[in-house]
Amino acid sequence: DAGVTQSPTHLIKTRGQQVTLRCSPKSGHDTVSWYQQALGQGPQFIFQYYEEEERQRGNFPDRFSGHQFPNYSSELNVNALLLGDSALYLCASSRGGELFFGEGSRLTVL
Amino acid sequence: RKEVEQDPGPFNVPEGATVAFNCTYSNSASQSFFWYRQDCRKEPKLLMSVYSSGNEDGRFTAQLNRASQYISLLIRDSKLSDSATYLCVVNGNTGNQFYFGTGTSLTVIP
Repeated sequence: DAGVTQSPTHLIKTRGQQVTLRCSPKSGHDTVSWYQQALGQGPQFIFQYYEEEERQRGNFPDRFSGHQFPNYSSELNVNALLLGDSALYLCASSRGGELFFGEGSRLTVL
Repeated sequence: RKEVEQDPGPFNVPEGATVAFNCTYSNSASQSFFWYRQDCRKEPKLLMSVYSSGNEDGRFTAQLNRASQYISLLIRDSKLSDSATYLCVVNGNTGNQFYFGTGTSLTVIP
């Protein structure tokens, strides 16, 4: 049973570019949440998707957007990248309880 | 005020020591509480849920004090393998959004 998988694992972008990160949830999970974790900080909630809709959103600008597909997989898109967007982006899936995390996508913005 | 506050440490303790971590949360309506463990450059993983009555799992004991909005984690007989960052996690008003503390760093020294 595959856990949460994310891609890519590492990527480097330059300021102003756009990035798409992908997540496949754990089998049987219908809810996907995205988190941003800067170095030395705890994960910060970006948003959560359920039934292909954004159900909850944290304090992130509109440059951060997402999508959930019928198979429950999800994408996180970030436009107009800033240096401060450099972080580990974590996807977590759940089904009414515990969060299971993927290994994350480490984004570096130069 | 942050939703979840933790002492970031670091805590450096000898093998066999007992160490306690504390966490406070701001939302009195929170219903779910967890401790997650995060190893260096890895994703967070659930260590244990925290119940009102307190709960124990081997060397680990978690306690919740709703009146003081306070959560604790006690680790007895520390092992080298306990070295990690411990994240306090609390859910928000809707129950769908989980807030993470900044994490407390623990190093167990031989």
